[in-house]
Amino acid sequence: EILLTQSPGTLALSPGERATLSCRTSQTISSSYLAWFQQKPGQAPRLLIYGASRRAPGTPHRFSGSGSGTDFILTITRLESEDFAMYYCQQYGRSPWTFGQGTKVEIQ
Amino acid sequence: QMQLLQSGAEVKKPGSSVKVSCRTSGGTFRTYGISWVRQAPGQGLEWMGGVIPMFGTKNYAQKFQGRITITADDSARTAYMELTSLRSHDTAVYYCATSSMTAVTTWTNWGQGTLVTVSS
Repeated sequence: EILLTQSPGTLALSPGERATLSCRTSQTISSSYLAWFQQKPGQAPRLLIYGASRRAPGTPHRFSGSGSGTDFILTITRLESEDFAMYYCQQYGRSPWTFGQGTKVEIQ
Repeated sequence: QMQLLQSGAEVKKPGSSVKVSCRTSGGTFRTYGISWVRQAPGQGLEWMGGVIPMFGTKNYAQKFQGRITITADDSARTAYMELTSLRSHDTAVYYCATSSMTAVTTWTNWGQGTLVTVSS
């Protein structure tokens, strides 16, 4: 099973600031199979990024994904109020599909 | 726009079983299948298993092998997840999810979630 480790656990920032979220995998995965989800309280997860860097339909351009091998990054260039949420990375290249434990982006 | 509508909340006794349904509209999960993901209170996301009706394949996380059955009624556009031998740690929100985008094999569309509470 591929383990995903996200850091930091919590990121306290102000609106307008840049957020950088990290996801490290225990084995090399094809970047084609790394996704990022956003989840708000009481809601289902929402796909933001797939294939490590491709925005899903409706994902604002302030969200970008990068990385390869075992290290992946989600960047939010200028945080807006609706971006304060939980973020999960996920690999879907090798079963079982696994998630990181999440990074909470909260208002400072 | 594909939508997934799940059945309502359930309260179950330890040792019993639960069956959650997921009906799609505006699309079909025939090609990319349906997966089930759960989330215990205050915890992260956990993939449980999935089915791809086009290929007739099922894939379960080892953790749930022997306790989980996922089925799909293609004509009814409905998938089901049954979990047996419930314990308190199975208390969670259970989501169904699928892809509505060609060649995107992770989950673009999610159900609203079904809360399953296991309590004596």
